[in-house]
Amino acid sequence: AQKVTQAQTEISVVEKEDVTLDCVYETRDTTYYLFWYKQPPSGELVFLIRRNSFDEQNEISGRYSWNFQKSTSSFNFTITASQVVDSAVYFCALRGNTGGFKTIFGAGTRLFVKA
Amino acid sequence: NAGVTQTPKFQVLKTGQSMTLQCAQDMNHNSMYWYRQDPGMGLRLIYYSASEGTTDKGEVPNGYNVSRLNKREFSLRLESAAPSQTSVYFCASSEMGQLGNTIYFGEGSWLTVV
Repeated sequence: AQKVTQAQTEISVVEKEDVTLDCVYETRDTTYYLFWYKQPPSGELVFLIRRNSFDEQNEISGRYSWNFQKSTSSFNFTITASQVVDSAVYFCALRGNTGGFKTIFGAGTRLFVKA
Repeated sequence: NAGVTQTPKFQVLKTGQSMTLQCAQDMNHNSMYWYRQDPGMGLRLIYYSASEGTTDKGEVPNGYNVSRLNKREFSLRLESAAPSQTSVYFCASSEMGQLGNTIYFGEGSWLTVV
């Protein structure tokens, strides 16, 4: 069975602090994709990044970076110099090559960035 | 730049009433999905349609039915609403057949069953 665990329910930081959101996944599939989505207070779900299981290169996009480590089944998300606009719920998700390509989501981490 | 559009955005139902959530996408995607979001539980898949003419159950299908009306539209019906179905519902779509295809979501429908 596939599973995504986001152990941090809520995180609160002060603006300009760095923050890392943890994501641990379980799958027996050899090929899979991992995703991060952002849900701001307005409620929509915004796609942030996709990473396949064969590509362990870390990725950086502006203040956002992602660390994929297959050895620990983790796909962590770091925001550098956080801003109030980063306040949102962040979801990690997994899709494997069995089970009809269904995407499984973690429970989400709510990030509060205080000015 | 509509993407995935779902209606209504807000709805209050009485227990036992029925309603249909409508969803349409303009990205020419083959696959469409309905998720529900509950506090502390993330997003759970209710039903999905891998392609026009097919539908399959997800993690939590009980109490729901779906119709893939055409390639663009995928509706979710609650035949007899229950308070346990109070949730935020998201419709989504993606290309078919590629494992890495990204799912794109609508803005959500807030449903309260009293």
